Amino acid sequence: DIQMTQSPSSLSASVGDRVTITCRASQTIDLDLNWYQHKSGEAPKFLMFAASGLQSGAPPRFTVSGSGTDFTLTITSLQLEDFATYFCQQTRRAPLTFGGGTKVEI
Amino acid sequence: QAQLQESGPGLVSPSETLSLTCTISGGSMSSYYWSWIRQAAGKEMEWIGRVYTTGSTNYNPSLRGRLNMSIDMSKNQFSLKLKSLTAADTAIYFCARERPYRGYDYLDSWGQGTLVIVSS
Repeated sequence: DIQMTQSPSSLSASVGDRVTITCRASQTIDLDLNWYQHKSGEAPKFLMFAASGLQSGAPPRFTVSGSGTDFTLTITSLQLEDFATYFCQQTRRAPLTFGGGTKVEI
Repeated sequence: QAQLQESGPGLVSPSETLSLTCTISGGSMSSYYWSWIRQAAGKEMEWIGRVYTTGSTNYNPSLRGRLNMSIDMSKNQFSLKLKSLTAADTAIYFCARERPYRGYDYLDSWGQGTLVIVSS
């Protein structure tokens, strides 16, 4: 299985802060990586493709970079509604696997 | 996006079989994969498997042998059966729709999840 290592597992931030979350795959997955946002008690929500040229509907303050094994999700100016858990998912090879999540807290 | 809702028992006894159903509203089931994912407390999401509209399935090898998924498009539902339960199967179970988009796949619609506790 492809292991996805996400860091940090949690972070504290304030509104307006720049936040960076990383996801590392145990083997190359090209651009077959997705990012999701999850608020407790709600349905997880697809956020972005790693392939940054693909439209996703996420606000422009969310940006992605990386390919191969190392990926980054950046929130350039944290808003109140962004406090949530973010996790990555690789779709390169079954079984699909997920990162452990990053909880963004105030 | 479609709306998905999981249903099933919240408490199941060890060695028994878990049966969950996901009901879809607001969209067609055609041309999508329909997935189950679970998350145990303090752990990462675990992909359980998926079923296509033809009935073909892909399962996580870690659960193969205990798992059966099916789809009933006439009811807008798909289901999961997981047998021989242990405490390690205690988790929040999510259903989701997997959508292809320009050569990439992603889970574009999820249910809120249902907590399943395996305990006597």
